[in-house]
Amino acid sequence: DAGVIQSPRHEVTEMGQEVTLRCKPISGHDYLFWYRQTMMRGLELLIYFNNNVPIDDSGMPEDRFSAKMPNASFSTLKIQPSEPRDSAVYFCASSLGTTGSRNQPQHFGDGTRLSIL
Amino acid sequence: DQQVKQNSPSLSVQEGRISILNCDYTNSMFDYFLWYKKYPAEGPTFLISISSIKDKNEDGRFTVFLNKSAKHLSLHIVPSQPGDSAVYFCAATRYNFNKFYFGSGTKLNVKP
Repeated sequence: DAGVIQSPRHEVTEMGQEVTLRCKPISGHDYLFWYRQTMMRGLELLIYFNNNVPIDDSGMPEDRFSAKMPNASFSTLKIQPSEPRDSAVYFCASSLGTTGSRNQPQHFGDGTRLSIL
Repeated sequence: DQQVKQNSPSLSVQEGRISILNCDYTNSMFDYFLWYKKYPAEGPTFLISISSIKDKNEDGRFTVFLNKSAKHLSLHIVPSQPGDSAVYFCAATRYNFNKFYFGSGTKLNVKP
């Protein structure tokens, strides 16, 4: 089965440019999460969706960040304008949420390494 | 404010010995905990979990222990193998609450 697919794997761009990160979740998963990994803060949740609807965006650092999920198989994370401090690895994850008596684990993509010069 | 903390950024262990990775949490509402393993240039992968109704869960060489009173969990790997060298993240959440809180990770190096 295909896992979570993220693109691009690497992105290098200059400060001020718009950056768009893409994610295709695992088919059938109804939760989608965007994380950012940095040395200082580890893995921090930026936003998550349930059935394509944003549920919690309290982790989005600034208005420069926005995320959309137009359908069940695609999501984007956009940074406009980008700044050097946005340099990090961005992960997308998906899950089935809670089923039965347990929380289902989140399945992660391989991430996008973003460098803003 | 980080609700899940991994205070050891790195750990080095000899092959065949036990690796013990620790994790502390502050929110007493957390009742479900997970460990993830991450290799370089890959995303984290789920390893093992435990719910607060248990204090131990085993899966092969991996055992997670939960001490609710101390708000502490640990991951034991026995015996450690070089392929276990990776960054390990612990995560915590509440039942039926899909937001996971992750620690900052511990980099494990298993020496041959």
